Amino acid sequence: SQTIHQWPATLVQPVGSPLSLECTVEGTSNPNLYWYRQAAGRGLQLLFYSVGIGQISSEVPQNLSASRPQDRQFILSSKKLLLSDSGFYLCAWSTLLTGNTEAFFGQGTRLTVV
Amino acid sequence: GQNIDQPTEMTATEGAIVQINCTYQTSGFNGLFWYQQHAGEAPTFLSYNVLDGLEEKGRFSSFLSRSKGYSYLLLKELQMKDSASYLCAVRDVNTDKLIFGTGTRLQVFP
Repeated sequence: SQTIHQWPATLVQPVGSPLSLECTVEGTSNPNLYWYRQAAGRGLQLLFYSVGIGQISSEVPQNLSASRPQDRQFILSSKKLLLSDSGFYLCAWSTLLTGNTEAFFGQGTRLTVV
Repeated sequence: GQNIDQPTEMTATEGAIVQINCTYQTSGFNGLFWYQQHAGEAPTFLSYNVLDGLEEKGRFSSFLSRSKGYSYLLLKELQMKDSASYLCAVRDVNTDKLIFGTGTRLQVFP
């Protein structure tokens, strides 16, 4: 069966510090991978989307970046965090191989920038 | 691009029926999804519609009309544990991206 791992679960970082959030998927090949951000009480904002290694689509201009160094690994990074980067970050994967196309989410990382 | 609209909040009584609507505009439609999200947790998949009509899964049903750009999620026999946010999402056929609406926060009262 497929599983998705996302870590850390919570993170408190000072303004101006770097960020690295990691997400890995097991049990499937060539998944579509997503990074979403959710502000408190709001919907999911798509940040990055990837259909393959090295193929990253950025949805919103910001000081975040994403990389996909391996087929089932998706990393969200920042060189210098802003207060506005606080939020709930969710990694998700989907694939057409199973016949369904829903996205499955990791447990999320709650980031607080102070 | 895509535009997805849902009511921000709804309230209902335990045991009742509630319908959560979602309207969307998209350049290329390839399926509509409903997710449930409890506070502080990740969203979990509820239903998927790609053809017009009603899909039923126990107490939950989802309806789609592609010509109207409209879907609803119907929750029957409401329970207190159904208090959560319900997210409508649309997949774009051209990019395969999954775009979410802002979600509807449902509160179920005894």
